[in-house]
Amino acid sequence: EPEVTQTPSHQVTQMGQEVILRCVPISNHLYFYWYRQILGQKVEFLVSFYNNEISEKSEIFDDQFSVERPDGSNFTLKIRSTKLEDSAMYFCASRAGGGRPQHFGDGTRLSIL
Amino acid sequence: GESVGLHLPTLSVQEGDNSIINCAYSNSASDYFIWYKQESGKGPQFIIDIRSNMDKRQGQRVTVLLNKTVKHLSLQIAATQPGDSAVYFCAEKGLYGNKLVFGAGTILRVKS
Repeated sequence: EPEVTQTPSHQVTQMGQEVILRCVPISNHLYFYWYRQILGQKVEFLVSFYNNEISEKSEIFDDQFSVERPDGSNFTLKIRSTKLEDSAMYFCASRAGGGRPQHFGDGTRLSIL
Repeated sequence: GESVGLHLPTLSVQEGDNSIINCAYSNSASDYFIWYKQESGKGPQFIIDIRSNMDKRQGQRVTVLLNKTVKHLSLQIAATQPGDSAVYFCAEKGLYGNKLVFGAGTILRVKS
């Protein structure tokens, strides 16, 4: 069964550094998402992406965050200058059209030191 | 200050029994609901979904019930197995937009 893959599984970065989290969505999917889950808290929506542009973003997704689909297979989340509070699990999700469910990857654990 | 994490409710069931996991959702305008299972170290795994024009939907060993009057969603798992042990999340989607709003989660523990 096709699945969303995320790399790396764990990323450790110094505060203030840039980090790029990578995702390969399911191949025929059209909608792409990033969520995060701070340890012990709920899964929170960050951003959705469709037709090569952001369709919706949350208050968390400020100017330090950006997303890109650089080619036909990858979907990336960049944090320009990381803060301690960015430490979380970051999940990528994708879905097909027609109101289909979102399918999630296994996440990247981001640790900011 | 000290950060306060979520204290997830836990449901313990005997292997072979049926499980019912409940969820109260927040937005009466939500039109789509979905249940995910999350095992340790993995991402949320899709189980079953339901639209607001339905009140029941069945899958393999799972049933989702939707009560819009009281904004309540439940997941029933028949003949629960040890492999069903995980954290279960409900999520809702509003009429406009694509984002899912997740609930806090329920831990399901299956005793053999």
